[in-house]
Amino acid sequence: DTGVSQNPRHKITKRGQNVTFRCDPISEHNRLYWYRQTLGQGPEFLTYFQNEAQLEKSRLLSDRFSAERPKGSFSTLEIQRTEQGDSAMYLCASSSREGTSNYGYTFGSGTRLTVV
Amino acid sequence: AQSVTQLDSHVSVSEGTPVLLRCNYSSSYSPSLFWYVQHPNKGLQLLLKYTSAATLVKGINGFEAEFKKSETSFHLTKPSAHMSDAAEYFCVVSDMGRRALTFGSGTRLQVQP
Repeated sequence: DTGVSQNPRHKITKRGQNVTFRCDPISEHNRLYWYRQTLGQGPEFLTYFQNEAQLEKSRLLSDRFSAERPKGSFSTLEIQRTEQGDSAMYLCASSSREGTSNYGYTFGSGTRLTVV
Repeated sequence: AQSVTQLDSHVSVSEGTPVLLRCNYSSSYSPSLFWYVQHPNKGLQLLLKYTSAATLVKGINGFEAEFKKSETSFHLTKPSAHMSDAAEYFCVVSDMGRRALTFGSGTRLQVQP
């Protein structure tokens, strides 16, 4: 599979529970990004990794959110004590150094989170 | 700071007629500009990009966009709409040196038979 893979596709959780999403980027891509998309809006940037280093975080990434990319390959995004406002599509994307300039990102299909 | 305004939240055209999706941007530096398409239950797909080369950019599926610096616009066009073009379209800007993309709020294209 040469695309960006995200799991799970859908997650329904009760308010206050913790959730974790996984993203597997294209294998040769060293850059990985997380975005959040709410209904009727464009995706909003959350955070960016180059290899295992988290180099940029949006102010949207509150203390309840944490992202990791421990070996520079797959990444996880965890949300603690979920709130109804966290309900959204969480998108992962990856790129190579050259690809960012020439091809943009490759996005996964996303994980849709519903907090009830 | 970078920002994008998509001037129409919804556009409806008849199959075989031209498509125009409008986008204005704001950027502090020389921007890279993109158009992405999002079909229902599918990932975002890159249609085309501008990075300070030719101002008229050709993309996939017959789409093209023209960068007009004086108007800070990057409108997306297609000469003849197809039913399969029905989707959500996002105009996106990235300032040089920044990794984060800034998306517009999207334009939903509806194609009538």
